[in-house]
Amino acid sequence: EIVLTQSPVTLSLSPGERATLFCRTSQSASSPVAWYQHKPGQAPRLLIYGASTRAPGIPARFSGSGSGTDFTLTISSLEPEDFAVYYCQQRTDWPLWTFGQGTKVEIK
Amino acid sequence: EVHLLESGGGLVQPGGSLRLSCAASGFTFSYYAMSWVRQAPGRGLDWVSIICDNGGCTYYGDSVKGRFIISRDNSWNTLYLQMNNLRAEDTALYYCVKGVPVAGKTTHFDYWGQGVQVTVSS
Repeated sequence: EIVLTQSPVTLSLSPGERATLFCRTSQSASSPVAWYQHKPGQAPRLLIYGASTRAPGIPARFSGSGSGTDFTLTISSLEPEDFAVYYCQQRTDWPLWTFGQGTKVEIK
Repeated sequence: EVHLLESGGGLVQPGGSLRLSCAASGFTFSYYAMSWVRQAPGRGLDWVSIICDNGGCTYYGDSVKGRFIISRDNSWNTLYLQMNNLRAEDTALYYCVKGVPVAGKTTHFDYWGQGVQVTVSS
């Protein structure tokens, strides 16, 4: 079973600062990760797929990188609306579609 | 514009059943795999089940296998989740999710519904 581990669990930053979120998979899988943003009371939103491709309508301040077992989501300059929980996700051999436990980006 | 509207949630006793529905619009429903993802209170996202575009294949997470059945009606653009023998740990917000195929495999999800609450309690 492949496990996705996100770090840090919580990231306390101020608007305008750079946020760097990490996602490590327990095994190298054939599919690269996707990243989602989730705000309370809202549906999760796809940000990045294929490790580095922004989904339609996603601002350029969001970028993804990585390969193999280590992936990164970077928010270059935090806007007030970016404070949320972020999840990485990967298609794996089992349990097929796996999510990380999430990183909460909170206002410092 | 893509819309996914879930319904059918509610309060049910342990051992009971519920059937969730998801009405889809704004895209050609029969072209895409569809999935259910849930979020228990205070927890992260947890993949539940997925069904292929034509309904010919289904997969389930270990925690629901043998109890939940996913299905779809491409004539009515509707996804279903029949949940049987419900347990307290099934309490969660259930999201209907559209899959995105990459090289013939669904690798991620691009649209999510607002979710429907399922509470299992006596």
